[in-house]
Amino acid sequence: AQSVTQPDIHITVSEGASLELRCNYSYGATPYLFWYVQSPGQGLQLLLKYFSGDTLVQGIKGFEAEFKRSQSSFNLRKPSVHWSDAAEYFCAVGVPGNQFYFGTGTSLTVIP
Amino acid sequence: GAVVSQHPSWVICKSGTSVKIECRSLDFQATTMFWYRQFPKQSLMLMATSNEGSKATYEQGVEKDKFLINHASLTLSTLTVTSAHPEDSSFYICSARDRGAGSNQPQHFGDGTRLSIL
Repeated sequence: AQSVTQPDIHITVSEGASLELRCNYSYGATPYLFWYVQSPGQGLQLLLKYFSGDTLVQGIKGFEAEFKRSQSSFNLRKPSVHWSDAAEYFCAVGVPGNQFYFGTGTSLTVIP
Repeated sequence: GAVVSQHPSWVICKSGTSVKIECRSLDFQATTMFWYRQFPKQSLMLMATSNEGSKATYEQGVEKDKFLINHASLTLSTLTVTSAHPEDSSFYICSARDRGAGSNQPQHFGDGTRLSIL
């Protein structure tokens, strides 16, 4: 069965520090992978996606993610975090048939 | 581009009331829309997949008579919570995928509807 795991429920980083949010998936074939961000009380905004090609993908707001097939991972990174990056981050797997599977989310707090 | 509008953004109503939530794709056509439910501090749980011109496909454990879905056009899907009770209070989010887009393409999300049943 398909599943997505985000091991870190909550992460706190200092402004200007680097960030890495972990995502592991379980799926029988190469999945389509996405990262979304959700601000409080709002919907989800797409940060980036991967479905083939270069395993390092660039997204909006300075985020990037790397697909590692051997580790079944798709970790999100940012070199220098801004206070406005504080939000909930969701990793998702897309499978044929249009369905998405979301991870449980990682809440990011940015301290000055 | 790819804007999804969800209305209302927040609704408070008495127990026993039926509530309708609209999900519109503003600048694209969507043959498929998705309805999610999100509890506080939790992830999104897919409730149902809404297909234009046909019946919705509900996930296991979701009461189809409780959560009525209608997808009458390529730009509009509605979710009606019938005879709502306090346990139905939640954050409901819809999403849509561009017509003809495959499952390797992202879903575009509305801003969600916070439903509070008194």
